[in-house]
Amino acid sequence: QKEVEQNSGPLSVPEGAIASLNCTYSDRGSQSFFWYRQYSGKSPELIMSIYSNGDKEDGRFTAQLNKASQYVSLLIRDSQPSDSATYLCAVKDTGGFKTIFGAGTRLFVKA
Amino acid sequence: GAGVSQSPSNKVTEKGKDVELRCDPISGHTALYWYRQSLGQGLEFLIYFQGNSAPDKSGLPSDRFSAERTGGSVSTLTIQRTQQEDSAVYLCASTLGGASGELFFGEGSRLTVL
Repeated sequence: QKEVEQNSGPLSVPEGAIASLNCTYSDRGSQSFFWYRQYSGKSPELIMSIYSNGDKEDGRFTAQLNKASQYVSLLIRDSQPSDSATYLCAVKDTGGFKTIFGAGTRLFVKA
Repeated sequence: GAGVSQSPSNKVTEKGKDVELRCDPISGHTALYWYRQSLGQGLEFLIYFQGNSAPDKSGLPSDRFSAERTGGSVSTLTIQRTQQEDSAVYLCASTLGGASGELFFGEGSRLTVL
């Protein structure tokens, strides 16, 4: 059973701080990794994708990938209350291009 | 259309009834997924269609669940003899397919089985 693991949280950070979200995956052959944000009562929306080892930055968001450790992370700099949501880690498996999601980490940013 | 369209947005049914949920993907997207999300939970993979290939049905929880995709576009998820544990939001997503894999989600169909 291919799995994606996340700490369910909640993770609480003060406004302006860095929020760090982590994810591990079991399929060593996976090549595509994603972070989705889901506001309460809404559908998930893609915020970052990463395919190569290292860091990828987009505005206040940085995704980090370490394939050797099977670890993906998302850093949110200068966190805002509007960042309060559930963050879903998703991994595309090497077999049938199926995308598997973690259970999500709930983030609260306190004003 | 501009986005993934799902219908109905809300469905309340009685235990034992059959329900059909519809998904109209983004035009040109060859891959389509169905996921289920119970309250406060993550996304549970149900089924995946890619072009004309046989669908990956490995996530369907029982034989009461089935799905089809006609003409490589619209998909219907059917749940027969619904049970209370089927109550959830059913999310459809489409993608261009291939290795990139970014999914675009519809607003979901909230199913409540009484």
